[in-house]
Amino acid sequence: DGGITQSPKYLFRKEGQNVTLSCEQNLNHDAMYWYRQDPGQGLRLIYYSQIVNDFQKGDIAEGYSVSREKKESFPLTVTSAQKNPTAFYLCASSIGPGSGEQYFGPGTRLTVT
Amino acid sequence: QQQVKQSPQSLIVQKGGIPIINCAYENTAFDYFPWYQQFPGKGPALLIAIRPDVSEKKEGRFTISFNKSAKQFSLHIMDSQPGDSATYFCAASIEDGGATNKLIFGTGTLLAVQP
Repeated sequence: DGGITQSPKYLFRKEGQNVTLSCEQNLNHDAMYWYRQDPGQGLRLIYYSQIVNDFQKGDIAEGYSVSREKKESFPLTVTSAQKNPTAFYLCASSIGPGSGEQYFGPGTRLTVT
Repeated sequence: QQQVKQSPQSLIVQKGGIPIINCAYENTAFDYFPWYQQFPGKGPALLIAIRPDVSEKKEGRFTISFNKSAKQFSLHIMDSQPGDSATYFCAASIEDGGATNKLIFGTGTLLAVQP
């Protein structure tokens, strides 16, 4: 059963703590993406990776970090430097960096208090 | 230049009606225009997509109309059903086969189909 999995579905953290969100895909896709979704603002790109061991900042990378050590995994760390981390986080992948056909995971809702 | 403007923000139709969601863009280099459907608490799902070499594409009850000269595209849902109630996002990107393809999303339309 091919797809993208994100865990956990809900995550609660105290302010000042770093937290890592998991994203795994078994679609054999080269490119992976992290988006943040806030009400009324659509999806905003945080980081993306075209290939293993390479990644680039998106439009709102401040306060976030990523790694891409394996093709199938692209974890996102929300650091304490992120001013407003409470949001719905979505991971996506595409067959290659030149393809706009992106497939999304089920998302992780992070709440920081 | 990189924005995609989507309207309306919300839409209510009766079952069987034809909701229409519109998007407009400025960057003429965009060459791939997908629509995504998102149910509450779920990730967006790719619904249908079009490239600028055609003016219309149909998949089941979903149709994209594309007007290249006006730089606009729209989603029509024929014979809408309560199960179509969701948020719909348009997007645009440049598929140049090499550089990273970044999708630019509209702000979404919340559709409610009343029984």
